[in-house]
Amino acid sequence: AQKITQTQPGMFVQEKEAVTLDCTYDTSDPSYGLFWYKQPSSGEMIFLIYQGSYDQQNATEGRYSLNFQKARKSANLVISASQLGDSAMYFCAMRDSTNFGNEKLTFGTGTRLTIIP
Amino acid sequence: GAVVSQHPSRVICKSGTSVKIECRSLDFQATTMFWYRQFPKKSLMLMATSNEGSKATYEQGVEKDKFLINHASLTLSTLTVTSAHPEDSSFYICSAYPGTGNNEQFFGPGTRLTVL
Repeated sequence: AQKITQTQPGMFVQEKEAVTLDCTYDTSDPSYGLFWYKQPSSGEMIFLIYQGSYDQQNATEGRYSLNFQKARKSANLVISASQLGDSAMYFCAMRDSTNFGNEKLTFGTGTRLTIIP
Repeated sequence: GAVVSQHPSRVICKSGTSVKIECRSLDFQATTMFWYRQFPKKSLMLMATSNEGSKATYEQGVEKDKFLINHASLTLSTLTVTSAHPEDSSFYICSAYPGTGNNEQFFGPGTRLTVL
């Protein structure tokens, strides 16, 4: 069974500061993928970043980077220079090879990030 | 990125009626689409996996006769909530998997269903 844990239900961060959103996962499969999605109050899910279990380097996408620590089974999202528009729910998700072929994702419970001006 | 639409975005219906929600991939073909349900301030719960041309695969605890899924083409999947009741009120989100790239799913904007 796979499991995604996000231990921070809510975070408040000053604008322009960096923020780290925690995500740990549990899988016995050596091949898996990790995703981060952003959900603003409007409801749509916005893909942010992807990390494959065999990727040698941490994924980066603009202001987003993923601090992938495989031995610790953690995949924390780092947002640099936070902006007011970053206020949203953030979900960590995982797909492992038991789901290859149908690409099912398992989501964490999410972290509500609020950027303070 | 790829675009997925959902229609309607919001629907209010009376108890006992059926509601159909459409999910379309606008600029790519999706062999697989997923339907999720999200309660307020909660995470997304996968309801079913929809494969074009075959029956949907439902997650444990999801009533397949209650939530009918049809994946008629590579760009369209529909979810019909039959004989809706107030407890079916929720935010329903679909996603589509193009089968290329980083294996990411692209999500629709969601449909908020309110059953009176």
